[in-house]
Amino acid sequence: QSVLTQPPSVSAAPGQKVSISCSGSSSNIANNHVSWYQQLPGTAPKLLIYENNKRPSGIPDRLSGSKSGTSATLGITGLQTGDEADYYCGTWDSSLSAWVFGGGTKLTVL
Amino acid sequence: EVQLVESGGGLVEPGGSLRLSCAASGFTVSNAFMGWVRQAPGKGLEWVGRIKSKTGGGTADYAASVKGKFTISRDDSKNTLYLQMVSLEAEDTAIYYCTTYPLEGGYYFKYWGQGTLVTVTS
Repeated sequence: QSVLTQPPSVSAAPGQKVSISCSGSSSNIANNHVSWYQQLPGTAPKLLIYENNKRPSGIPDRLSGSKSGTSATLGITGLQTGDEADYYCGTWDSSLSAWVFGGGTKLTVL
Repeated sequence: EVQLVESGGGLVEPGGSLRLSCAASGFTVSNAFMGWVRQAPGKGLEWVGRIKSKTGGGTADYAASVKGKFTISRDDSKNTLYLQMVSLEAEDTAIYYCTTYPLEGGYYFKYWGQGTLVTVTS
């Protein structure tokens, strides 16, 4: 059972938009920055979003992040088949004194 | 360009020990917060622990699941991060990824290695 809760899977058609939620608590998301990671099949995770809504160099602006209270959301617009991957949210948990990840969300582009 | 290359994974019997290495290039390990994240087969990501930069105090923090069993250290002369693992159990079977936090500050995993597989089995 992960400290952060993500939907196990989401799906949408090419060109459409999808949102992936990440729910936490006052000891993690509410008081710490959230980051998001993409893991393509058979590869290492890759940073997509950091500090809630910032994109590293090279990440397209069709990806976005937001945070409100104890939840965060990753948005992806203009879906492409290459976006099919597992997505993880993560943040520091001040009560656990540990980094925590969500359980991951598998994105399928139909 | 930052690169992280893990090595040292393999097969080990329950109760055994293993040391993973992460050779870094493009930056100095002593100047960075670095850590390990693992992923059991077919499962999600699990934080293992981190070591702070020298100026940040150089201490290490661990996940509850590995505290007392795993030790993170670095060799500045080799620019390499290590993960010493003892008393290994089947539940420790996973791909272990070396990661760095951003050198400019911030708490997220900016760079990742390709991972090294550890299999604990008799």
